[in-house]
Amino acid sequence: EVQLVESGGGLVQPGESLRLSCAVSGFTLSDHYMDWVRQAPGKGLEWVGRSRDKANSYTTEYAASVKGRFSISRDDSKSSLYLQMNSLRTEDTAVYYCTRLRDSAFDLWGQGTLVTVSS
Amino acid sequence: DIQMTQSPSSLSASVGDRVTITCRASQDVRDHLAWFQQKPGKAPKSLIYAASRLQSGVPSKFSGSGSGTDYTLTISSLQPEDFATYYCQQYKTYPLTFGGGTEVEIK
Repeated sequence: EVQLVESGGGLVQPGESLRLSCAVSGFTLSDHYMDWVRQAPGKGLEWVGRSRDKANSYTTEYAASVKGRFSISRDDSKSSLYLQMNSLRTEDTAVYYCTRLRDSAFDLWGQGTLVTVSS
Repeated sequence: DIQMTQSPSSLSASVGDRVTITCRASQDVRDHLAWFQQKPGKAPKSLIYAASRLQSGVPSKFSGSGSGTDYTLTISSLQPEDFATYYCQQYKTYPLTFGGGTEVEIK
């Protein structure tokens, strides 16, 4: 079955770090661009960042709101995508989704993992 | 950044109604436009990409159209499972940006 499963969310204090994981199955991770998208409680969707595929050297892009604090990586041998989040702020509180791209557009979403940043 | 404006922000409709949601971009996105459906407490589901192409498994009652800066999502005959929030998104330019959402409620 083709699916994405996020994990690693939880409650952290402002300034702390957290790493989210996205385990993929049913397809070859290295063949796909993969993005992270978040949704603050009761709000809309916000793009976080992108990891391009192996053919494009896994290069990355980030939203201005997270650039310099968040980084995306992957381990194709483990079929996993990661989002390392440092210097977390209260405004980073959200459900974080990993998504797969096909034909440049999102076609598959994980179920999401909740990150709460609060003192 | 490209701003995406959806209208209306919410609507009430009855089962069987034809529903149209509009998305306007602040600049030409050249059909790099997608639509998503999200039900409460669930992840978004991809419906349409490239303005008018249905994602695999999406029923044909959903259709997308438009060009340049103006796009629409149409649901031909609203069913109980279609009551949800719908988002548009442009993927022509970084940062990718989403519309604010349209909540489709039962009348």
